[in-house]
Amino acid sequence: QVQLQESGPGLVKPSQTLSLICTVSGGSITSGDYSWTWIRQPPGKGLEWLGDIYHSGSTFYNPSLKRRLTMSVDTSRNLFSLRLNSVTAADTAVYFCARGGPSGANWFDPWGQGAPVTVSS
Amino acid sequence: EIVLTQSPATLSVSPGESATLSCWASQSVNDNLAWYQQKPGQAPRLLIYDASARATGVPARFSGGGSGSVFILTINSLQSEDFAVYYCQHYNTWPPWTFGQGTKVEIK
Repeated sequence: QVQLQESGPGLVKPSQTLSLICTVSGGSITSGDYSWTWIRQPPGKGLEWLGDIYHSGSTFYNPSLKRRLTMSVDTSRNLFSLRLNSVTAADTAVYFCARGGPSGANWFDPWGQGAPVTVSS
Repeated sequence: EIVLTQSPATLSVSPGESATLSCWASQSVNDNLAWYQQKPGQAPRLLIYDASARATGVPARFSGGGSGSVFILTINSLQSEDFAVYYCQHYNTWPPWTFGQGTKVEIK
């Protein structure tokens, strides 16, 4: 079955760029009409959807982050990635990648285990 | 943006009893609503999609209902592994997809 794994630095300095990769295994990122998603969870808080990307490269971003967020997909390496620039302490969170449901049904399954990221000098 | 409000914030239940969790949407999401379970230190797990369809491998004691703007997740005969935080999430029409703030089901 499809599995997802996040990777990237656990510590980012304020004003710099947070970069994460989600590697997909057990299936092709181009198989089916699925979205590929980033979601984050600040410590002790709830879940926030960040954005979706399709294997075509089409993206949908949360308007609250749109100016700072870029998502990309690398079909040859079966992965997708996130870049969030100009980070502050408010961006400290566990970042999850997940697969959206088929044909635009954007429930999320499966999820990666999560990558904790701290923004601090 | 559609706001999802979950109640109660915390639900204290004894093992073997049932729990009913609610999720209200600020506008209709039709049946485009999912429920997730999250345990400490873990990623959320999809339980219910399309308001009432159980995800693969989810026990039958979990059931979802509702449509439009009012939804319910029922957990019958709570087991020890069911004590967790539960989130609802909409995926109606256009993003942003939003989550409720969560309901914590704790042992009474």
